[in-house]
Amino acid sequence: GENVEQHPSTLSVQEGDSAVIKCTYSDSASNYFPWYKQELGKGPQLIIDIRSNVGEKKDQRIAVTLNKTAKHFSLHITETQPEDSAVYFCGGSNYKLTFGKGTLLTVNP
Amino acid sequence: NAGVTQTPKFQVLKTGQSMTLQCAQDMNHNSMYWYRQDPGMGLRLIYYSASEGTTDKGEVPNGYNVSRLNKREFSLRLESAAPSQTSVYFCASSLDSYTGELFFGEGSRLTVL
Repeated sequence: GENVEQHPSTLSVQEGDSAVIKCTYSDSASNYFPWYKQELGKGPQLIIDIRSNVGEKKDQRIAVTLNKTAKHFSLHITETQPEDSAVYFCGGSNYKLTFGKGTLLTVNP
Repeated sequence: NAGVTQTPKFQVLKTGQSMTLQCAQDMNHNSMYWYRQDPGMGLRLIYYSASEGTTDKGEVPNGYNVSRLNKREFSLRLESAAPSQTSVYFCASSLDSYTGELFFGEGSRLTVL
């Protein structure tokens, strides 16, 4: 089955800086890669996703890049704000969705 | 629109007791899922139901059973709870299969003593 590795497990940045979270996947047949944000005490919520026929996707301050050859994809958050503080999960899917173990992002004011 | 609703939000059980976690969605989604979340382990799929009338095992199904009662409802049952099942449980739904957005409930925190 699919195995998704996520790094780093914790990330602390200053407000206004950029944050990058990286994931690798094992199944070359995976074709869908979502990113979820989980705030304290709540369920995860989709923030951006990318399909294998696209190399990059942006939505305001967040972007995701995908390198199919290397089997890795990354989440980029620019101009971080305190409300970006949360746990972020990447996922890889070829019918079954497998999540990485999560990254706790802290944005310091 | 309530989205995905889970009950109960908190539960404490003794080892060997049974209980059922309830989940309902009002988005007319075909697929529903149960995950557990443990510190440092991410979200692990317990069972899922791709469509009404079907259920399949996920990554960690041992000790659990599920019922897709109808299109709206998907319950998770612990027949004989163990301390290793102490976790936060999330129900989710999606329009269909896996290559689309999952909508999660707010979670059910279960402690087994």
